[in-house]
Amino acid sequence: DVKVTQSSRYLVKRTGEKVFLECVQDMDHENMFWYRQDPGLGLRLIYFSYDVKMKEKGDIPEGYSVSREKKERFSLILESASTNQTSMYLCASSLGWRGGLDTQYFGPGTRLTVL
Amino acid sequence: AQKITQTQPGMFVQEKEAVTLDCTYDTSDPSYGLFWYKQPSSGEMIFLIYQGSYDQQNATEGRYSLNFQKARKSANLVISASQLGDSAMYFCAMREKTGANNLFFGTGTRLTVIP
Repeated sequence: DVKVTQSSRYLVKRTGEKVFLECVQDMDHENMFWYRQDPGLGLRLIYFSYDVKMKEKGDIPEGYSVSREKKERFSLILESASTNQTSMYLCASSLGWRGGLDTQYFGPGTRLTVL
Repeated sequence: AQKITQTQPGMFVQEKEAVTLDCTYDTSDPSYGLFWYKQPSSGEMIFLIYQGSYDQQNATEGRYSLNFQKARKSANLVISASQLGDSAMYFCAMREKTGANNLFFGTGTRLTVIP
């Protein structure tokens, strides 16, 4: 079974703090993704990575950066947390396009509150 | 334009009955995949079922089936014999072969199963 883990289920930070969200997958997947989920907006892509040290901006990258130094680990960084970054953050990984099926498998999510 | 549209914010179904959750999509890519995910209150996104754009038959996985109508660009999820544990948010998503590797998500439908 694919296992995607995230470092924290719940996190409370103060405005201006630097925040690190860690994601690890154990299936040797090429692609990794960070989404944020807000009520009524569904999931929105922040960043994704298709290989080590490679990254691409998603729909809402502002205020975020990412790091992928190893294939299994993808980190989301909030350089200076703000209250509008209070949200649920979901990490996912996938093998890549294989004739159509490119299922993304998700971690349990991190609910971040910025005070 | 929205890539994925889910027009039902909330649905109710009686236990043991079947329910259909609607999803329409918009793409000009002839090669794409459609996915349904379930998100219980715990927050984790659980992959349910996949339909490829070239698949001739509707996908089925246990009590889940996907009513794929390509000409109408719809990919409705049918859950048969609903159970109390089916109460959750359900998201439809699409992956296009061209362009980025990410999934486009709808805003979700909250399903409540009534005993």
